[in-house]
Amino acid sequence: GAGVSQSPRYKVAKRGQDVALRCDPISGHVSLFWYQQALGQGPEFLTYFQNEAQLDKSGLPSDRFFAERPEGSVSTLKIQRTQQEDSAVYLCASSIRDRGAYEQYFGPGTRLTVT
Amino acid sequence: EDKVVQSPLSLVVHEGDTVTLNCSYEVTNFRSLLWYKQEKKAPTFLFMLTSSGIEKKSGRLSSILDKKELFSILNITATQTGDSAIYLCAVEVWGSGTYKYIFGTGTRLKVLA
Repeated sequence: GAGVSQSPRYKVAKRGQDVALRCDPISGHVSLFWYQQALGQGPEFLTYFQNEAQLDKSGLPSDRFFAERPEGSVSTLKIQRTQQEDSAVYLCASSIRDRGAYEQYFGPGTRLTVT
Repeated sequence: EDKVVQSPLSLVVHEGDTVTLNCSYEVTNFRSLLWYKQEKKAPTFLFMLTSSGIEKKSGRLSSILDKKELFSILNITATQTGDSAIYLCAVEVWGSGTYKYIFGTGTRLKVLA
């Protein structure tokens, strides 16, 4: 594929609903990151995968947030019992190497609105 | 706690002006500093800086890193309306065998015709 893709692009959820956000990284990219970007803010790190291993989940704001990448390619970010403060753009990025110092490529994001 | 601070938060200039955007950081285990341009969608990569004092240049954009004073600047000369965007600075940090990027809040640049 040409780049990182994310789906859905927009999601409206009622408070308390569960949502699942999908990220398709660039084929062959080892590293995958999830970020949360609130309006007027920079992206905030949520979690990092190296292949299928979730090496860092220190940025996940609560235990309602869960991410997986079971086969080392596609990743899903799940938010349970959504709250209004979860409203944000969720960005996924991938990078070819596992040791940084390489550019990360961003997807277009999923804009989540919790009503 | 790792911190990346960008200034100014927003800036309005006229076409043809030169702008300088600032990014300062306080992090442990610094590896690199990156600049991104974000219009309506995904941030797009501009520069990666790892060494002090070496200017990176791409057309009207240039950037330099000072690892002693812990900051970087992004210069845009002869600005055009298409430069209007949010400019994000991110610092790559290492720890416990893994790495991540800490982003600043961004500088919102508006270039008027």
